[in-house]
Amino acid sequence: DAKTTQPNSMESNEEEPVHLPCNHSTISGTDYIHWYRQLPSQGPEYVIHGLTSNVNNRMASLAIAEDRKSSTLILHRATLRDAAVYYCILRRLHQGGSEKLVFGKGTKLTVNP
Amino acid sequence: DTEVTQTPKHLVMGMTNKKSLKCEQHMGHRAMYWYKQKAKKPPELMFVYSYEKLSINESVPSRFSPECPNSSLLNLHLHALQPEDSALYLCASSQARAGANQPQHFGDGTRLSIL
Repeated sequence: DAKTTQPNSMESNEEEPVHLPCNHSTISGTDYIHWYRQLPSQGPEYVIHGLTSNVNNRMASLAIAEDRKSSTLILHRATLRDAAVYYCILRRLHQGGSEKLVFGKGTKLTVNP
Repeated sequence: DTEVTQTPKHLVMGMTNKKSLKCEQHMGHRAMYWYKQKAKKPPELMFVYSYEKLSINESVPSRFSPECPNSSLLNLHLHALQPEDSALYLCASSQARAGANQPQHFGDGTRLSIL
């Protein structure tokens, strides 16, 4: 299975931007890059995904390197509610329309007030 | 509140017991998933159902038996579990259209403890 590498932890101050890096050097041409986050005592929550182009949504932005071997999740203004473990995932479509998400180890983000 | 409901939230059972975990969604999703998450580790995929048929089994021991009785329900039957099976069991669902790239929606899990 394709693997991702992330820093174990990062720290940010409230209201400041956060850049969460991810390396995925073994990505294949059809793998999508997904990000999920998991708050304490909750299941993972979808954040954003992309294939080749940079993506923006209401939660975050995703910047994908031209060779697709790395990506960066950008939280534009961190809040205390953004404190969570952020997972960078390579998503592969399986037959029948289901998919396989292989979670990396994740980055624990701490947001300081 | 999550749109994927898992019951029970907590379960304590002995190694000889038989119990079941239940997962329910009403979003019309036709792909459903079971994950296992040990403390401070990422979720690991166990099973995937697509249109009520098992499509992926990640070499899970037979003491875990999944069942998808209809498109809204997913069960995980447990029998003769070991202490190392203590973990958070997460259910997820997604649309299952070929070529779609839809996010998975996760429940908040069942925390299982094996005595």
